[in-house]
Amino acid sequence: DAGVTQSPTHLIKTRGQQVTLRCSPKSGHDTVSWYQQALGQGPQFIFQYYEEEERQRGNFPDRFSGHQFPNYSSELNVNALLLGDSALYLCASTTGSYGYTFGSGTRLTVV
Amino acid sequence: TQLLEQSPQFLSIQEGENLTVYCNSSSVFSSLQWYRQEPGEGPVLLVTVVTGGEVKKLKRLTFQFGDARKDSSLHITAAQPGDTGLYLCAGQRGSNYKLTFGKGTLLTVNP
Repeated sequence: DAGVTQSPTHLIKTRGQQVTLRCSPKSGHDTVSWYQQALGQGPQFIFQYYEEEERQRGNFPDRFSGHQFPNYSSELNVNALLLGDSALYLCASTTGSYGYTFGSGTRLTVV
Repeated sequence: TQLLEQSPQFLSIQEGENLTVYCNSSSVFSSLQWYRQEPGEGPVLLVTVVTGGEVKKLKRLTFQFGDARKDSSLHITAAQPGDTGLYLCAGQRGSNYKLTFGKGTLLTVNP
């Protein structure tokens, strides 16, 4: 049973560029959340998607946007990249309120 | 201000020792989850506690949710090198969908 799949695993981008990260949720899960984890910190909530709509958003600027497709997969887009956007981006899926399955993340480095 | 404070931040012990890590807040949570994260991987759910005073055991791990649902602890008996990792607590408040994470406790168990 495949868990949460994220791609790519690593990415290097230049300041000002745009990036798209992808996530396939665990089979049977319909809700996808995205988190940003800076080095030495716990994950920070970016937003959650359910039924192709953004259901809740954390304290992140509009440069961070997302999308959920009919097959429940999701994308995270970040525009006008800053050095401070360098982090591990985690996707988590669930089918209920409790218990999230996380992917291994995408390590984004902005230079 | 960190909503969930975890202590200690770092812990290095010898195989066979017991340990307790703490997760404290001034806020009430409807549920609290514990995750373990290994380098280069996403967090893996260990347990979810939802009732004040609840105690859950998972082999050598014992989790407790405070009576007021503001704090939690994780106790490991006879630690093994395989227990090494970053232990994260994460809470959900009311009908809020997002998980709020602490910064984590980095545990190293030396053989």
